[in-house]
Amino acid sequence: KAGVTQTPRYLIKTRGQQVTLSCSPISGHRSVSWYQQTPGQGLQFLFEYFSETQRNKGNFPGRFSGRQFSNSRSEMNVSTLELGDSALYLCASSLGVVPNEQFFGPGTRLTVL
Amino acid sequence: KNEVEQSPQNLTAQEGEFITINCSYSVGISALHWLQQHPGGGIVSLFMLSSGKKKHGRLIATINIQEKHSSLHITASHPRDSAVYICAVPTGNQFYFGTGTSLTVIP
Repeated sequence: KAGVTQTPRYLIKTRGQQVTLSCSPISGHRSVSWYQQTPGQGLQFLFEYFSETQRNKGNFPGRFSGRQFSNSRSEMNVSTLELGDSALYLCASSLGVVPNEQFFGPGTRLTVL
Repeated sequence: KNEVEQSPQNLTAQEGEFITINCSYSVGISALHWLQQHPGGGIVSLFMLSSGKKKHGRLIATINIQEKHSSLHITASHPRDSAVYICAVPTGNQFYFGTGTSLTVIP
């Protein structure tokens, strides 16, 4: 089975721009969660989607949004980028919802200049 | 206030040493996860456990739900074990993560 894939792997944007990141879960997995990882804050939960519905959202501003499609693929969007949004964005998929075992993708490294 | 505390933050060991990483949490949980992150970012789930002990190769994870504490042990450590180890606690509908333990195993 193919693992979780994320595109793009690296991205450079400037302040004020917006960005869309994509995540394809393992086949058969219906839950996709997104996380932000920074050196200062570590791993932080962004949101989880299951069957196209957002189940929960972490403590992030409304500039961070996401969606899930009928094939379980998910996208997250960050609008009006700030320097502090520079981070590794990871998605993870699982068969069921949290707290099921999660399988992580390689991440998208976003740099905001 | 951190829901999950890990110790130590950094750990250097000689190849072959027995290693212990600790995780304490303050929230009620049904299970705890141990994750491994290698340089470059990829994260692998090592264990999900809700009671007792689990073993996979040279890795052993234990949890005491009453004391809200878990440990990850590595026996006969090897340089390829060098990575960041993170404990993750699911509560409600999301995960809380420890800050990670950076392990370096020297040949």
